[in-house]
Amino acid sequence: GAVVSQHPSWVICKSGTSVKIECRSLDFQATTMFWYRQFPKQSLMLMATSNEGSKATYEQGVEKDKFLINHASLTLSTLTVTSAHPEDSSFYICSARDGGGYTFGSGTRLTVV
Amino acid sequence: GENVEQHPSTLSVQEGDSAVIKCTYSDSASNYFPWYKQELGKRPQLIIDIRSNVGEKKDQRIAVTLNKTAKHFSLHITETQPEDSAVYFCAATQGAGAGSYQLTFGKGTKLSVIP
Repeated sequence: GAVVSQHPSWVICKSGTSVKIECRSLDFQATTMFWYRQFPKQSLMLMATSNEGSKATYEQGVEKDKFLINHASLTLSTLTVTSAHPEDSSFYICSARDGGGYTFGSGTRLTVV
Repeated sequence: GENVEQHPSTLSVQEGDSAVIKCTYSDSASNYFPWYKQELGKRPQLIIDIRSNVGEKKDQRIAVTLNKTAKHFSLHITETQPEDSAVYFCAATQGAGAGSYQLTFGKGTKLSVIP
């Protein structure tokens, strides 16, 4: 089946630094990629939707200058958390359409210290 | 936009008993309703889904029912096993076919199956 590879699986960074998370669709073309954030014991909250070759659409309350999304090709979308702070510590998951369904990446556990 | 309510938030059952999780949605345009199982620190895994042209779907011990009129759908797990213990999420979307329609998730149900 369709596979989305997400890296890194976990990262620890210092406050004020930036972190890039990559999601690659391995055997299909992902025209649309969804980026979610999940805090402990909570649900997945959509942060933004990215379409290949165009600007991402951010959900209300998500800072576009802080969470930079690039979807330059049909197989790669990236999320960069800029000037990370401890409150950005969370589980970030990408998801792509694969025909009639949705395929999720394995997630990235970000810890900002 | 779509709003999905999920109940209960926690559910404990004895091994072998059945578990039922219920969700309601608000957008009548939603036409695809997947259920995901998520273990701690891992990605959501699709366990079953249903499209709006079907009222019920079953896959071994797992079944999903959909009532479009009432805008609710339910997950039924029979003969529960300890390995069924996880967090379950329902979701709804207009994206039954294709397109850049997002999934809207319920808040999740933590299922514990007691041996």
